[in-house]
Formats: sequence, structure tokens, C-alpha cells
Amino acid sequence: DSGVTQTPKHLITATGQRVTLRCSPRSGDLSVYWYQQSLDQGLQFLIQYYNGEERAKGNILERFSAQQFPDLHSELNLSSLELGDSALYFCASSSQGPYTGELFFGEGSRLTVL
Amino acid sequence: GENVEQHPSTLSVQEGDSAVIKCTYSDSASNYFPWYKQELGKRPQLIIDIRSNVGEKKDQRIAVTLNKTAKHFSLHITETQPEDSAVYFCAAWLQGGSEKLVFGKGMKLTVNP
Repeated sequence: DSGVTQTPKHLITATGQRVTLRCSPRSGDLSVYWYQQSLDQGLQFLIQYYNGEERAKGNILERFSAQQFPDLHSELNLSSLELGDSALYFCASSSQGPYTGELFFGEGSRLTVL
Repeated sequence: GENVEQHPSTLSVQEGDSAVIKCTYSDSASNYFPWYKQELGKRPQLIIDIRSNVGEKKDQRIAVTLNKTAKHFSLHITETQPEDSAVYFCAAWLQGGSEKLVFGKGMKLTVNP
């Protein structure tokens, strides 16, 4: 158990819908990262937050947004969903920023868009 | 650019053989290079990492080497075992522009008993 909690574990929805994925980092970790893992596409970096502030952005679509709340949990919002958004979405946390070491990944949220 | 290239994408070896995974990166300012292992249906987990002030690091059967001049780094697994079968990701902490940890596309290693 990495100490990073992601909910829901599985989610099935239809095209055009909106979903919210939630992540609780390890106790004391200030940085939260979101990654998308599609088949054969590795781990695509989406966005990073540090202590409530956006720190870095990757190839995150405009239909996607995220935030980190004062209690340090984070949410990734995916809207106007398309079939191609089906993927495993990982949240990870680390102890502080700038990056100093290991990322601890959650178990992921598997999104299926039908 | 902000790329981390990894090859091969798949590798099959016999138990006891060695396996090597190679990665290249584009940002010469990168200073941290971790390797993650992802078993089927599980989350990625760090197995070893190396910083730019070190050329090689070993931990039991795994070792990582870094060539900053050539901007490439490699993972070496010796005496492979079936439980080494997994997808291995290299990554680089890119500092150009905004700081971020970028992963390669992964290599699926199969160790045949």
C-alpha cells in the first residue's frame, strides 16, 4: 500500500459526460501528480500541484481540469468525454517540491467511455 | 524538446539471462533519472534511481548507468527471474521550462522459466 488513495477504482460512462476522479496523497506529501496511461502509451504527464498551486502542466486537454484543495487532496475533472479518453488515470504524490525523490502512485482509476 | 525515448519496447529472455533497457532524454538540464516497475494490473513502483552527479548505481541484481554527455541511461538486470516480468519505465526530471517528471513508453520484459 503506497498510502495514496484514488476513487473511484472503476468508472464507466458515456461520451459527452463529465466525471471527477479523486486523489488523497500520502500523509504529509505536498505534491500531487496526475498521469494518464493508455494502451501502449506509457505514462503521460497531465498536471502537477504543490501545496494547492499548479506547478507544471503536461499534455492536458482543455476539456480536463484539476485542482488541489487546502486539505491537499486533488480532483481531476474530465468533461465532454470521448472514446479516446478511456484510460487508467494515476495520481501520485511526493514529499515536497521541487522534486526530490520517489513518486508514490495510487492504484489508479480506470475510466471506460462507451 | 521534452522527450524520453525508451527501447526496446518488448524483451523476452530466459531465466538467468541479463536484460538491458536503454533510454535517451532531450533536456540537458535533467538531473534525476528514476526507473519504475509496473506489474500487470498494479501501480508503478520505484526500483532504482540515479542523479546526475553519479555515473552508476547498483542495488543487488539491478544497476543503472548514466552518460550525461550522450544523454542516455540504462537499466541492467542480471540473473533474471520470472518475477522480474513486468513493464519497466524510465523517466527523467525535466527542468527546461516547467519542471516535470516525464516517462518513457515502457518496456515489457518477459522472463521465461
